[in-house]
Amino acid sequence: DSGVTQTPKHLITATGQRVTLRCSPRSGDLSVYWYQQSLDQGLQFLIQYYNGEERAKGNILERFSAQQFPDLHSELNLSSLELGDSALYFCASSAEGRVDTEAFFGQGTRLTVV
Amino acid sequence: GQQVMQIPQYQHVQEGEDFTTYCNSSTTLSNIQWYKQRPGGHPVFLIQLVKSGEVKKQKRLTFQFGEAKKNSSLHITATQTTDVGTYFCAGGLRGQNFVFGPGTRLSVLP
Repeated sequence: DSGVTQTPKHLITATGQRVTLRCSPRSGDLSVYWYQQSLDQGLQFLIQYYNGEERAKGNILERFSAQQFPDLHSELNLSSLELGDSALYFCASSAEGRVDTEAFFGQGTRLTVV
Repeated sequence: GQQVMQIPQYQHVQEGEDFTTYCNSSTTLSNIQWYKQRPGGHPVFLIQLVKSGEVKKQKRLTFQFGEAKKNSSLHITATQTTDVGTYFCAGGLRGQNFVFGPGTRLSVLP
């Protein structure tokens, strides 16, 4: 158990809909990262938050947004969903926002868009 | 932008054979991390390399960071079925975020 909690574990929704994925980082970790992993693909970095503020942005679509709340949990909002958005979405956390800190991954949320 | 490549994409070995995956960056890295993802699981941190030419060992796993800090390798000696999974390298560049390689998927035949 990495200490990072993601909910829900599975999500099935229709095209055009909007969903929210939730992540609770390890206790004490200030930094949260979101990644998308499509079938047989690597990890695509979406966005990073550090202590409530956006720290870095990757290949995140305009239909997607995220935020980190004062209690440090984070939510990833996906809207106007398309079939191609079906993927595994991972949240990871680290103690600090530097690249030389180990990241702990949650179990992921498997999103299926039908 | 920064790119991180890994080869091979897939590797099938017989149990007991050795395995190596290579990671190459288009830019000089400040550090590199390796993660393992079991089938159906999530990435798990294995190790971090920071110094040029650094070599670290974890039991049957040997990790190397190139002298120019642009490449790295992971070598597994005498693979076991428990080694099955996808191995990702992630290149860190100070001031930017980690870039993950596409991963090498290892299959071990008993």
